[in-house]
Amino acid sequence: ILNVEQSPQSLHVQEGDSTNFTCSFPSSNFYALHWYRWETAKSPEALFVMTLNGDEKKKGRISATLNTKEGYSYLYIKGSQPEDSATYLCAFGSGGGADGLTFGKGTHLIIQP
Amino acid sequence: DAGVTQSPTHLIKTRGQHVTLRCSPISGHKSVSWYQQVLGQGPQFIFQYYEKEERGRGNFPDRFSARQFPNYSSELNVNALLLGDSALYLCASSLSRDHEQYFGPGTRLTVT
Repeated sequence: ILNVEQSPQSLHVQEGDSTNFTCSFPSSNFYALHWYRWETAKSPEALFVMTLNGDEKKKGRISATLNTKEGYSYLYIKGSQPEDSATYLCAFGSGGGADGLTFGKGTHLIIQP
Repeated sequence: DAGVTQSPTHLIKTRGQHVTLRCSPISGHKSVSWYQQVLGQGPQFIFQYYEKEERGRGNFPDRFSARQFPNYSSELNVNALLLGDSALYLCASSLSRDHEQYFGPGTRLTVT
C-alpha cells in the first residue's frame, strides 16, 4: 500500500501572508506528482503535474517544487488571499501511470481576513 | 466546452441493492478514472479506463465494476451494497494518464 502524507493537516493563515505545505511520497517507482485544489461544493481542480526531479511549476501566486530522490514536494502560496481557502491535495502516480493516483488526505487551508 | 458531468448527483440505496453511476468526460478525453472519497480521506482510486480498456484497478472488491463506452463515457457499477460504500464517487477524465485529471462534481451515494 502506497503512503502519501501531507502536512500540516490544516493551516490558518492571515491574508497577505505567504505559506507552504508538504507532500511526502514513496521515492521508488515514481511516475508523476499531481497537486489539486478542492474548494467546498466544487470539483477538485488541477494545479500542477510534475514528472521530473527538480521540476518547479508556477501558476500565478502558487508554485510547487519536486524532489523525487527524497520523495517530497512543496506547494507555496505567496500573498494569500481569501479565495485561496481550500483543501490542497497531492497525488502520487506510480507504475507507469497504470496504477491510478494515490491521494494524500490534503491540507485544509483557511485564509483569515 | 462542457466539463466532466456525472449523474445522478445524489442517490440513496438500501443495503444489498446495486447502483450504476454515470460519467461523461470532456470532449476529446479518452481516459476516465473513478475514485471513492470518504470524509476525512483523500480520493481513493477504483478504476482507470483508456480507449475502452481497463488500464488500472485499485484495491476494491469484485462488487465494483466499470466499463467505458465507444463515446468514452463510463459507468461504475456496485453490487450488493454495504453501508461502508456510502461515499462521494468522483469521475475524472484526462487526455491520457500522463496529463492532469479533470474532475466531475461527484455522485453522493448513501447506503442505508
